[in-house]
Amino acid sequence: KQEVTQIPAALSVPEGENLVLNCSFTDSAIYNLQWFRQDPGKGLTSLLLIQSSQREQTSGRLNASLDKSSGRSTLYIAASQPGDSATYLCAVNGQGGKLIFGQGTELSVKP
Amino acid sequence: GAVVSQHPSWVICKSGTSVKIECRSLDFQATTMFWYRQFPKQSLMLMATSNEGSKATYEQGVEKDKFLINHASLTLSTLTVTSAHPEDSSFYICSAPLTGGSNEKLFFGSGTQLSVL
Repeated sequence: KQEVTQIPAALSVPEGENLVLNCSFTDSAIYNLQWFRQDPGKGLTSLLLIQSSQREQTSGRLNASLDKSSGRSTLYIAASQPGDSATYLCAVNGQGGKLIFGQGTELSVKP
Repeated sequence: GAVVSQHPSWVICKSGTSVKIECRSLDFQATTMFWYRQFPKQSLMLMATSNEGSKATYEQGVEKDKFLINHASLTLSTLTVTSAHPEDSSFYICSAPLTGGSNEKLFFGSGTQLSVL
């Protein structure tokens, strides 16, 4: 059974810092891995999707890496801003579009 | 990008009533939609897979008679929480892939916060 773990559960940083969020999964048989952002009481915004054959994806200040063999992914946020404050979720797609989510990292960026 | 619209955004109801949540794909056809539930401070858990024109597939532990799913058209799936109780209070969210492929990006609705009194 696939399990997804995110570390840390919460993170508070001053504005401008670079930071790394971690995601690990137990079953390497995945189609892809997706990182999402969730604001309180809101839906999910897809940030980056990495296919199983890819090693990383970049979008603006965000960079996500995938090491399928070791079951790990990281989300790197450069030059963090207060507007980046949210919960970040990673999810693996292992079977027909069903996503298994981690519990998220709650990020707070202080001005 | 593709848009998935979910209504209502929030609903408060009395215990014992039924609540219907709609999920629409606005600019694409979705033969498959997924319904998730999220309790406070917890992650999203898949409840069921909604299939257009056929029965939904429920995850283990999800009562199909309590959470009725109907996917009558290629753009609409509904989740009805029947005889809702306080323990059903949760954030419900739907998603759909653009073309139904297994390795596709999923688009999510904005979610529905259900509070059962």
